[in-house]
Amino acid sequence: EIVLTQSPGTLSLSPGERATLSCRASQSVSSSQLAWYQQKPGQAPRLLIYGASTRATGTPDRFSGSGSGTDFTLTITRLEPEDFVVYYCQQYGGSPLWTFGQGTKVEIK
Amino acid sequence: QVHLQESGPGLVTPSGTLSLTCAVSGFSISSGYWWSWVRQPPGKGLEWIGEIFRGGAANYNPSLKSRVTISVDTSTNHFSLTLFSVTAADTAVYYCARERWDLQQSIDYWGLGTLVTVSS
Repeated sequence: EIVLTQSPGTLSLSPGERATLSCRASQSVSSSQLAWYQQKPGQAPRLLIYGASTRATGTPDRFSGSGSGTDFTLTITRLEPEDFVVYYCQQYGGSPLWTFGQGTKVEIK
Repeated sequence: QVHLQESGPGLVTPSGTLSLTCAVSGFSISSGYWWSWVRQPPGKGLEWIGEIFRGGAANYNPSLKSRVTISVDTSTNHFSLTLFSVTAADTAVYYCARERWDLQQSIDYWGLGTLVTVSS
């Protein structure tokens, strides 16, 4: 099983600051099949980034993804008020086929 | 616009069977892609349950495989989840979703989710 470990669990920042979220895999993720999702309270997750670094349709350009192998990063360059929610990484491959990280909550400092 | 809508009982008794259906609109299941179920216990993270393709081929999370069946009905554009022998640990919001192999295996559309509580 490929385990995804997200850090930190909670990130306390102020609007306008830069956020750096980490997702580390226990084994190499094949073909950069790593995605990031944003989840607002009471809503389903929303796809932000796929293929480790490609923004999904409608994702603002302040969001960017990077990384390969076992280490991946989601960066939000200038936090907007609506960005203070929870983010999950997800990988495909191995057993189970799909796994998610435990999430990082970005909260207002 | 693709739309997914979960439906089913919101309360299931322990040791009973959880059954949910996902109605897909705006896209034909027969056109391709895999379709999945993901759940989220209250206040916790996301867990993939399993997936199904238009012809009925399915894959499951090994941790649930002995208790799960996912089926598809292309004539009505629905797919379904059945989870047997439920316990309180199965209490969660259940989402149906569309997987995109052409977006590096990511999920681009999700249902709104439905809360299922296991309790007597």
